[in-house]
Amino acid sequence: EAGVTQSPRYAVLQEGQAVSFWCDPISGHDTLYWYQQPRDQGPQLLVYFRDEAVIDNSQLPSDRFSAVRPKGTNSTLKIQSAKQGDTATYLCASSFWGNSDYTFGSGTRLLVI
Amino acid sequence: SQWGEENLQALSIQEGEDVTMNCSYKTYTTVVQWYRQKSGKGPALIILIRSNEREKRSGRLRATLDTSSQSSSLSITGTLATDTAVYFCATDVQGGRALIFGTGTTVSVSP
Repeated sequence: EAGVTQSPRYAVLQEGQAVSFWCDPISGHDTLYWYQQPRDQGPQLLVYFRDEAVIDNSQLPSDRFSAVRPKGTNSTLKIQSAKQGDTATYLCASSFWGNSDYTFGSGTRLLVI
Repeated sequence: SQWGEENLQALSIQEGEDVTMNCSYKTYTTVVQWYRQKSGKGPALIILIRSNEREKRSGRLRATLDTSSQSSSLSITGTLATDTAVYFCATDVQGGRALIFGTGTTVSVSP
């Protein structure tokens, strides 16, 4: 069974640039999560979906971050006008709704200089 | 934060030694999960313990949960160099659907 696939693996940006991260969850998983993991910290929830619906995006930083999951399968997380404080690994995870067993992808490591 | 400060640790041990790490949580939860994250990888679930369980074992792993003190521990017996990783406890706050992670314990096992 294929795992959660994320791309790109790495991204280096200058402040003010935009970047998009892509996630392909495990087939059949209806729930998809995006986490931000700063260096030497635990993953911090940004947003999660059930199918195409946003369940909770209250932790998504202001208007520079956006996330979509239009067909309830793949998802894109976008940062507009990146800041140095956005430097982190962005992790995508998926599961069945109500199931606490998450499968994480390997993440996208973002460096903003 | 859902988690107490005991979560923040770094441990260096030799292969074959046993190690125990702890975390405490602030609000009621029905399940505590322990994840392992190796360098360059995402976290992977290694053991899950529910509020009606005091202890759970899986191979060399042993998790405990004390709901009265709102704390959990993870023990690894006979560590291997491949156990080198960051270990996180996680829980779904107030029965919500999304996991909240602690800061993690870094375990380095030397051959």
